[in-house]
Amino acid sequence: DIQMTQSPSSLSASVGDRVTITCQASQDISNYLNWYQQKPGKAPKLLIYDASNLETGVPSRFSGSGSGTDFTFTISSLQPEDIATYYCQQYDNLPFTFGQGTKLEIK
Amino acid sequence: QVQLVESGGGLVKPGGSLRLSCAASGFTFSDYYMSWIRQAPGKGLEWVSYISSSGSTIYYADSVKGRFTISRDNAKNSLYLQMNSLRAEDTAVYYCARQVRAMIPSRFDCWGQGTLVTVSS
Repeated sequence: DIQMTQSPSSLSASVGDRVTITCQASQDISNYLNWYQQKPGKAPKLLIYDASNLETGVPSRFSGSGSGTDFTFTISSLQPEDIATYYCQQYDNLPFTFGQGTKLEIK
Repeated sequence: QVQLVESGGGLVKPGGSLRLSCAASGFTFSDYYMSWIRQAPGKGLEWVSYISSSGSTIYYADSVKGRFTISRDNAKNSLYLQMNSLRAEDTAVYYCARQVRAMIPSRFDCWGQGTLVTVSS
């Protein structure tokens, strides 16, 4: 199975900060990587697909980059409503696997 | 609008069975791959199974292979997960998710609200 390792596991930042989360795959997955946001008690929501494409309706402050084994997710200016846990997910190989999540809190 | 609604969760004893359903609306269900994804309390996301649009291709995570069966009824716009020989470690919120297929099954672009399965004596 492909292991997805996110860092950090938790993050505290201030409103307006630039926030970056990384995701590393245990093998080359090309750009077959997605990012999801999950707010407490809610289902995950797709934000970024194919490493860098913004899902329709998602604010432009969210972005993604990377290919191969190293990927980055960025919030350019943190907003209070961005408080959530963020997951990366690979679909290069079955089983589809997720990172362990990054819990984002407001400082 | 696109909507997925799961049902069928509940409390079941170890070794018992449960059948989850997912009702789809707002899109052409028969055009999409569908998956079940679960989340144990306080834990991360684990993909469980997927089924192709026609139902001809099915895959399972090793953790559920031989115990769970995914199926769909395109005439009823419904997805199912038959869960047998349930274990405590199957306790989780189970989500159904629509899966976009480009060259290969890719992103989960729509999720249900989830249904909680608790396996306990």
